[in-house]
Amino acid sequence: DTAVSQTPKYLVTQMGNDKSIKCEQNLGHDTMYWYKQDSKKFLKIMFSYNNKELIINETVPNRFSPKSPDKAHLNLHINSLELGDSAVYFCASSQPGLIQETQYFGPGTRLLVL
Amino acid sequence: DQQVKQNSPSLSVQEGRISILNCDYTNSMFDYFLWYKKYPAEGPTFLISISSIKDKNEDGRFTVFLNKSAKHLSLHIVPSQPGDSAVYFCAATRMNTGFQKLVFGTGTRLLVSP
Repeated sequence: DTAVSQTPKYLVTQMGNDKSIKCEQNLGHDTMYWYKQDSKKFLKIMFSYNNKELIINETVPNRFSPKSPDKAHLNLHINSLELGDSAVYFCASSQPGLIQETQYFGPGTRLLVL
Repeated sequence: DQQVKQNSPSLSVQEGRISILNCDYTNSMFDYFLWYKKYPAEGPTFLISISSIKDKNEDGRFTVFLNKSAKHLSLHIVPSQPGDSAVYFCAATRMNTGFQKLVFGTGTRLLVSP
């Protein structure tokens, strides 16, 4: 049973297109995250949702819009894709309030914009 | 502005020897530190963590040391095994803020040879 899953695993698309990445967690966690790992391997947080409410938004362009239909899902929609959006996008989840809160990551979605 | 730095991009160690991975941080507000391990084509997985009220935390072959005055932490793996070959990310955050915003280093690739 995969705890945090993402679809698709690979995504190749043209500049200017709109695409979505889906994330689901079956851990019963209240908080979900999106991270971007760029070509320099720098893993940086983009968004965080807690119980469907946005709590972290890290100066990400408006072309990126997260959507959380329920607390088990956090999808990422990207409009007007640019070359610089090429990266690996990781979804994660955690249960806040624990003494030792741990984030569980999905396998990543490799996005290549041509 | 990279608040968490891992200055060694790679490390090679022989099986059975000690692996020492280093991490430095600049933000004195960080009070909780984590190490994540990442295999190719997978998401990061939590390895071990330490709170700023401690200077050492041990879990089996893995020990994390924290030197707050130097803003430095290290991960020791003893004895190293070939299965430990992976990229190791150091991460830092502030606890008790209502959400966990992890700031990651760029990772150190560990290769353990038989």
